[in-house]
Amino acid sequence: AQSVTQLDSHVSVSEGTPVLLRCNYSSSYSPSLFWYVQHPNKGLQLLLKYTSAATLVKGINGFEAEFKKSETSFHLTKPSAHMSDAAEYFCVVIDFSGGYNKLIFGAGTRLAVHP
Amino acid sequence: KAGVTQTPRYLIKTRGQQVTLSCSPISGHRSVSWYQQTPGQGLQFLFEYFSETQRNKGNFPGRFSGRQFSNSRSEMNVSTLELGDSALYLCASSLGYPRHGGEDEQYFGPGTRLTVT
Repeated sequence: AQSVTQLDSHVSVSEGTPVLLRCNYSSSYSPSLFWYVQHPNKGLQLLLKYTSAATLVKGINGFEAEFKKSETSFHLTKPSAHMSDAAEYFCVVIDFSGGYNKLIFGAGTRLAVHP
Repeated sequence: KAGVTQTPRYLIKTRGQQVTLSCSPISGHRSVSWYQQTPGQGLQFLFEYFSETQRNKGNFPGRFSGRQFSNSRSEMNVSTLELGDSALYLCASSLGYPRHGGEDEQYFGPGTRLTVT
């Protein structure tokens, strides 16, 4: 079965410092992995996706993630945090077992950014 | 291009009542998926509809049902509401089939926040 584990429920950083949000995955086949962001009272926005092309994936707003098969990880990073990055972030894997897309979400990491 | 819209945005119901939520997908998208988000259980897949047919289903009781119309708009219904049904219900639309051998990217609406008292 497909699953993702987000290793931190809360991460707090200062504005201008690097961001690291950690995600490990479990998959019985080559995974399709995503990071989504959810701002308060908003829906989910796709940040980036990995679909077995380049292992370093660049997304919107300066975020990127590296797929590491040997470590079964897909950590999200950003060199310099901005106040507007404060939100909840979800690591997601696709379950194809039903024949079509079903998104399996991690528990989420709430990112706080302090001035 | 207009995004995914959900109505209503907020809803308050009493235990035992039923509720219907609506989702209008992006123009041209034929698949609509529904998700429930709660603080305790996180985001969980409810079901997916494609061309008016339920194609995929999560592990929710039969009180949760849905349908899709010929214009791809979808509704989900929850009957005999329980306190635990209080949640943010999100819908996502997609083309419904992989493009260029890749995955079928889902676009989310803002959600309907349901409160059951």
